[in-house]
Amino acid sequence: QVTLKESGPGILQPSQTLSLTCSFSGFSLSTYGMCVGWIRQSSGKGLEWLANIWWNDDKYYNPSLKNRLTISKDTSNNQAFLKITNMDTADTATYYCARCKLGAFFDYWGQGVMVTVSS
Amino acid sequence: DTVLTQSPALAVSPGERVTISCRASESVSTLMHWYQQKPGQQPTLLIYLASNLESGVPARFSGSGSGTDFTLTIDPVEADDTATYYCQQSWNDPPTFGGGTKLELK
Repeated sequence: QVTLKESGPGILQPSQTLSLTCSFSGFSLSTYGMCVGWIRQSSGKGLEWLANIWWNDDKYYNPSLKNRLTISKDTSNNQAFLKITNMDTADTATYYCARCKLGAFFDYWGQGVMVTVSS
Repeated sequence: DTVLTQSPALAVSPGERVTISCRASESVSTLMHWYQQKPGQQPTLLIYLASNLESGVPARFSGSGSGTDFTLTIDPVEADDTATYYCQQSWNDPPTFGGGTKLELK
């Protein structure tokens, strides 16, 4: 049974760095073809892909935020991480992590973590 | 970026057949995927690689298309299908999602 769960600070101030953790079970990020991605959704809005990290440690970022994003993984502890620097009120959203496979579609999603940026 | 265009909303009666369209601004081959999102929940995968039904998804759902034009079909629609449906392409970088189609039942 594949599960994923996001964790994060909930609220932070503008210019701070957001650190998110995705803890997962039911698969390994060392298995060929596996990946974990991060996607966000602003209130009432659509979905925006942020970054993927693959089993071989290949990393891909959305160019619109690339300079601000860092994705990483801890295969031994079944976790993936996303850092976003210089957070702004426009980054207020629900952040999801999801498992992805070759073909880069997301077959299992976490429940999401709400992140609010406010002074 | 590849822009995916979906109709904002549809209203159908239970038992009817509904088609939800997704048009890409450039070819995405068959790397198009469909998700269902109910209010307050995370998205769930319905269809991957244009026409492959995800395990556990009812056979009422089907997908078709290639290149720039794709369709998600629900036949017959049930009350539980009230949700927003998103398409997502992964052929061109970066992966992008459509704006979503909100399906309401009459």
